Amino acid sequence: QSVLTQPPSVSGAPGQRVTISCTGSSSNIGAPYDVYWYQQLPGTAPKLLIYDNSNRPSGVPDRFSGSKSGTSASLAITGLQAEDEADYYCQSYDSSLSGSMVFGGGTKLTVL
Amino acid sequence: EVQLVQSGAEVKKPGESLRISCKGSGYRFTNYWISWVRQMPGKGLEWMGKMDPSDSYTNYSPSFQGHVTFSADKSISTAFLQWSSLKASDTAMYYCARLGGNYGSYLDLWGRGTLVTVSS
Repeated sequence: QSVLTQPPSVSGAPGQRVTISCTGSSSNIGAPYDVYWYQQLPGTAPKLLIYDNSNRPSGVPDRFSGSKSGTSASLAITGLQAEDEADYYCQSYDSSLSGSMVFGGGTKLTVL
Repeated sequence: EVQLVQSGAEVKKPGESLRISCKGSGYRFTNYWISWVRQMPGKGLEWMGKMDPSDSYTNYSPSFQGHVTFSADKSISTAFLQWSSLKASDTAMYYCARLGGNYGSYLDLWGRGTLVTVSS
């Protein structure tokens, strides 16, 4: 059972917009700790996608955006492309776990 | 090129010991903490803890405290993850990753992973 809750799967057609939620609590996202997002393409290592809730590292397309409100965060992907099919993980910290880093359970994005 | 290069896949028997490695290059290794992340087959990411390579100070996740040991040799820019007695449940992919950002808050550089298989 992950500290941060994500939907197991989402799907969308090419060109559409999808969102992935990440729900936490007052001891993590609501503490308030920042939220980070990672993309894991099949058979590869995770890659940083969003940092400090809504910032994109150099090289990440602006089709990817992040937001945070209260005890939840969201990742939005617009103009969905086949290459976006991957697992997505949110990450934050939790004060009830001595400030440990925590991940969401991951969301599998399927591009129809 | 800035990268973390991990050691190759391992196949071990229960009760055996193991040390896997993670070598940093292209940046000052001692300027960034290193984290280890476990991914069991078909499962999500689990943070195991972090280590400061400059002084080998460690901070383990409560879930992994006492089960694994982090170490580093800064002279060769390499971090290590070690088990003294493996169990079948240790079978997983293990990633090392660099903690980046102003406060070392996120994992901005990842190794390709080391697959550890523990089976009798």
